Amino acid sequence: EAGVAQSPRYKIIEKRQSVAFWCNPISGHATLYWYQQILGQGPKLLIQFQNNGVVDDSQLPKDRFSAERLKGVDSTLKIQPAKLEDSAVYLCASSKRQGGTGELFFGEGSRLTVL
Amino acid sequence: SQKIEQNSEALNIQEGKTATLTCNYTNYSPAYLQWYRQDPGRGPVFLLLIRENEKEKRKERLKVTFDTTLKQSLFHITASQPADSATYLCALDLSGGYNKLIFGAGTRLAVHP
Repeated sequence: EAGVAQSPRYKIIEKRQSVAFWCNPISGHATLYWYQQILGQGPKLLIQFQNNGVVDDSQLPKDRFSAERLKGVDSTLKIQPAKLEDSAVYLCASSKRQGGTGELFFGEGSRLTVL
Repeated sequence: SQKIEQNSEALNIQEGKTATLTCNYTNYSPAYLQWYRQDPGRGPVFLLLIRENEKEKRKERLKVTFDTTLKQSLFHITASQPADSATYLCALDLSGGYNKLIFGAGTRLAVHP
């Protein structure tokens, strides 16, 4: 079974520029997550989708971050404009179950450096 | 406020010994708790899940305990090997069943030959 695919793996941009990250979850997984992991910290949940609806986006800085999941499959996370403090690894994860407990399958992450 | 605490200091142990990692939480009542392993430059990988009504869970050399009175989970690796060296993250479900996981900062384990 193919894992969670993310791209790009690395991105370097200047502050105030924009960037987009793409995620393709494991086939058939209903729930998709975007986490932000700053160096030395644990992953912080930004947004959780159930199929193509948003379950939780309470931690998403909506003035600069946006995310969508079209047709309940792929997802994109956009940052516009980027700030220095957005430098982090952006992890996408998916889980099989619609609600209930279940392990998360993570991608390798997209490392963003904002200069 | 809600908080998840894991040992911030790295844990250094000798090969063959048992490693014990701690996850403490405050102001949560999680329905379950999960442990993940994360290697440098990689995404976290799921290891074990334990529910609030379970005291202990085992998988090969791994053992997890969950004490909802103490608000603590312990993660044990027996007969540790250098290949076990990684950062270990605990994660709590805050959503009462919607699989919304909040992660601790992780503890780095180094197993020396």
